[in-house]
Amino acid sequence: DAGVIQSPRHEVTEMGQEVTLRCKPISGHDYLFWYRQTMMRGLELLIYFNNNVPIDDSGMPEDRFSAKMPNASFSTLKIQPSEPRDSAVYFCASSLAPSGGAFFGPGTRLTVL
Amino acid sequence: QQQVKQSPQSLIVQKGGISIINCAYENTAFDYFPWYQQFPGKGPALLIAIRPDVSEKKEGRFTISFNKSAKQFSLHIMDSQPGDSATYFCAASSGAGSYQLTFGKGTKLSVIP
Repeated sequence: DAGVIQSPRHEVTEMGQEVTLRCKPISGHDYLFWYRQTMMRGLELLIYFNNNVPIDDSGMPEDRFSAKMPNASFSTLKIQPSEPRDSAVYFCASSLAPSGGAFFGPGTRLTVL
Repeated sequence: QQQVKQSPQSLIVQKGGISIINCAYENTAFDYFPWYQQFPGKGPALLIAIRPDVSEKKEGRFTISFNKSAKQFSLHIMDSQPGDSATYFCAASSGAGSYQLTFGKGTKLSVIP
C-alpha cells in the first residue's frame, strides 16, 4: 500500500485566497483525521471522519475552515479566505478501528503571505 | 481533561546511551498509548504502542513502560544511535467512541556520536 497520500506537498498563497488540501487515506481504513502542526501549538486535531461522516469538528479553528469526505478514498480541507496565521503543516491520517494507531501522510506545508 | 504532558522538551544523548522520554495523562478513559517518531519534513510515524492491560512492551531497542496508577508512561530507547535523532511524540486515545489521538508537545532527541 502506498500509505496516506496528500497533495499538494507545498502551497504558497496570498492572504484572502482559497486553499484546498487533499488526502487519500489508506484503503480500508474507516477513520480519517486532519491535524495541523505548528511550533507553538504542536499537533492539533482539526476534524475527524468515521465512514465518511464528520464526527467531531470541534478543533476547526473558525468558519473559514471546512472539510469534506465525499467517499472512502478522498477528503479535502478547505480554507477560505486564508490568513497568515493559517501557515502550518497540515497532516491527514487514517486508521482502522479498533487498533487505534493512526498512519500519517507526508503533510502539506502551507504558507500564507 | 484531554491533555497529555510530555517531558523533556529536548534531549541530548551519547551514542550507545539510553534515551528516556516521559508522558503523563489525566483522562482515565484513555486506553491506547502510542509513540510516534517524526523526522524533519516527514509525517509522524507510529513507532510502538501499548494498552493499559500490560506494564511494559518491547520492540527491538524501543520499550514502553506504563504505570496505570500514576497515569504515566515512558519511552526508553536502548543503545541510542544517531539515526534515532528525531522528534518523538507520545499520544493517547480512548476507544470508547472516538479513537482520536491527543498528542504531547514532542521531545527533540539528538544522539551525538
